[in-house]
Amino acid sequence: GQNIDQPTEMTATEGAIVQINCTYQTSGFNGLFWYQQHAGEAPTFLSYNVLDGLEEKGRFSSFLSRSKGYSYLLLKELQMKDSASYLCAVMDSNYQLIWGAGTKLIIKP
Amino acid sequence: NAGVTQTPKFRVLKTGQSMTLLCAQDMNHEYMYWYRQDPGMGLRLIHYSVGEGTTAKGEVPDGYNVSRLKKQNFLLGLESAAPSQTSVYFCASSRTSGIVTGELFFGEGSRLTVL
Repeated sequence: GQNIDQPTEMTATEGAIVQINCTYQTSGFNGLFWYQQHAGEAPTFLSYNVLDGLEEKGRFSSFLSRSKGYSYLLLKELQMKDSASYLCAVMDSNYQLIWGAGTKLIIKP
Repeated sequence: NAGVTQTPKFRVLKTGQSMTLLCAQDMNHEYMYWYRQDPGMGLRLIHYSVGEGTTAKGEVPDGYNVSRLKKQNFLLGLESAAPSQTSVYFCASSRTSGIVTGELFFGEGSRLTVL
């Protein structure tokens, strides 16, 4: 079966750095995606990795290791508005997205 | 700048009633999707469409039907609602086939409760 695992909830302090991990087992791999979802709102696209390594986009970075089936999303200089759920999704060999259950990130002042 | 619009935003149904959720996108996207989101679970694909006049089943299609008569619209129907269909429904669209389809544009969601 196909499976995406990520922690259910994490807590971090405003101004700090947090790393949200995602491990996956899928039928094929055509890219890994991170989405942000604020409570009661729609998910919005954050990042995409298809090759190994780090992709940086402002305060957010995403890392991928295909051999380990592993990715992380790194958030720097945390702000209160970063409180949200972060969804990891993998595109399988049929170009279908397989979604993790999401990690709820709580930012404390 | 509407993007993806879903109606209605909220609905309460009784078991056995029928309803239709409407999704409209103004980005000229080929691909459209209906997902459901339940607590503790990832987004699950109900049905999707790769173009006007086409539809396909996703991971959890039972109890739902869809139609894509116009490119910009994707309708999700529940013929006989059941309590297990209580969920938040998201419509999404994407530009084309392949890897770029992973960048989805979501509507605001429709919260459905079936009593």
